[in-house]
Amino acid sequence: SYVLTQPPSVSVAPGQTARITCGGYNVGSKSVHWYQQKPGQGPVLVVYDDSDRPSGIPERFSGSKSGNTATLTISRGEAGDEADYYCQLWDNDSDHWVFGGGTKLTVL
Amino acid sequence: VQLLESGGGLVQPGGSRRLSCAASGFRFSDYAMTWVRQAPGKGLEWVAVISYDGSIKKYADSVKGRFTISRDNYKNTLHLQMNTLSGDDTAEYYCAKTSGGGSIWNWFDSWGQGTLVTVSS
Repeated sequence: SYVLTQPPSVSVAPGQTARITCGGYNVGSKSVHWYQQKPGQGPVLVVYDDSDRPSGIPERFSGSKSGNTATLTISRGEAGDEADYYCQLWDNDSDHWVFGGGTKLTVL
Repeated sequence: VQLLESGGGLVQPGGSRRLSCAASGFRFSDYAMTWVRQAPGKGLEWVAVISYDGSIKKYADSVKGRFTISRDNYKNTLHLQMNTLSGDDTAEYYCAKTSGGGSIWNWFDSWGQGTLVTVSS
């Protein structure tokens, strides 16, 4: 089955830039989406189609892709950005949605 | 957009449960819908997705043959019938709306708050 690999945790100092990676086979040819989940809440879409932002999501959140790795970049990190972040894509071969294992972002 | 899940609770191993998701604030019949679950302390796991008209349904391997996703476009409600439950199915179950187009491969742009299913004797 298709696997998306994320680092379990990322730390960032307030005001600095955090980067969360998401790797998988042939990610470069698929659309990647990113979700933020805070404790006790449902997930929230923060980036779709690799690099587009839904309305209401701050410009500090951006997505990019290079080769087989997608990256969520959070600029000027704030305490309120502390959350779990998940990447996701549709795997055409299996007709399944796939989530990465999630990355816990800590703003120190 | 509002998505309100219900039907969670304590279920015995081998038992069944039906979850519902009441949708409002958008034209329900135009969008594919999906269920995603999260075991306690674990990550997100996609469960099932259904097209806007119910003609296409896809399931995760872990639930295929045991769970059935369905929808009632007249009542703006999404369902998940869960049979032969085991402890591995213990999780918060979220319903989510996909983005435009009605197809099953659009990203999930709105989520509910979840309903907890606990499988235990």
